[in-house]
Amino acid sequence: ELKVEQNPLFLSMQEGKNYTIYCNYSTTSDRLYWYRQDPGKSLESLFVLLSNGAVKQEGRLMASLDTKARLSTLHITAAVHDLSATYFCAVEGYGQNFVFGPGTRLSVLP
Amino acid sequence: DGGITQSPKYLFRKEGQNVTLSCEQNLNHDAMYWYRQDPGQGLRLIYYSQIVNDFQKGDIAEGYSVSREKKESFPLTVTSAQKNPTAFYLCASSIVRTGSTEAFFGQGTRLTVV
Repeated sequence: ELKVEQNPLFLSMQEGKNYTIYCNYSTTSDRLYWYRQDPGKSLESLFVLLSNGAVKQEGRLMASLDTKARLSTLHITAAVHDLSATYFCAVEGYGQNFVFGPGTRLSVLP
Repeated sequence: DGGITQSPKYLFRKEGQNVTLSCEQNLNHDAMYWYRQDPGQGLRLIYYSQIVNDFQKGDIAEGYSVSREKKESFPLTVTSAQKNPTAFYLCASSIVRTGSTEAFFGQGTRLTVV
C-alpha cells in the first residue's frame, strides 16, 4: 500500500528565510505532484515531477524528485507572507490513483 | 474556459437524508476522482473512475455511491449510511495517458450535517 509522509506538518518561519519541506513515499513511483491549498479553498497545482532528478522552479519555490530515495523536496527561498498556505505532495500509485500526503501548513511571519 | 465545476458550494444535510454532489468537467479528461478532506487533514480518496460506466472504490467508499454515465460528469451521493459526512469534498480529473497526468481540482463542496 502506497503511503506518503510529509515533514514538517507545521512550519512557522520568518520572511526572508529559507526552508525545505520533505515528502517521502513508500513504494516505487516516478510521478510526484505538489499542490498548494489556501484556507477554505481548493487545491492548486504547483509542480509536476515525472522522472528521477527532475527539478522545477517557480518564483521562490523549487521542487525536486529523487525516485531512488523515494523523496521529494519543496524548497522555499526568501519566504514572503504570500506563501502562507498548506502544501501537499501527491504520488501516483496503482491504477493512476493520487495518494496525498498529510500536508504541511506553512505560516510566514513578518 | 475549461475547468471542473462542483455544485453546490455549500450543502446542508439532515440526519438520515441522502444528498448528491455534482461534478462536471469540460477538459475532456478520462479519469475523475472524489476526495474527502476533514479540517486540518489531508485528502482521502472516496471513489475514482477512469472510463465511462466504470468506477472503483477508494479508501473510504463506505456510505458513498457514484455513477459515471457520461465522460463529463461524476456525481457523488452521500447516503444516510455515512455517519459522519460533515467535510469538504473535492472532485478532480486527469488525463489517462503516459507522461503528465496531474489532477485538476474543482472548487469543492462543503457539506454540513444539521
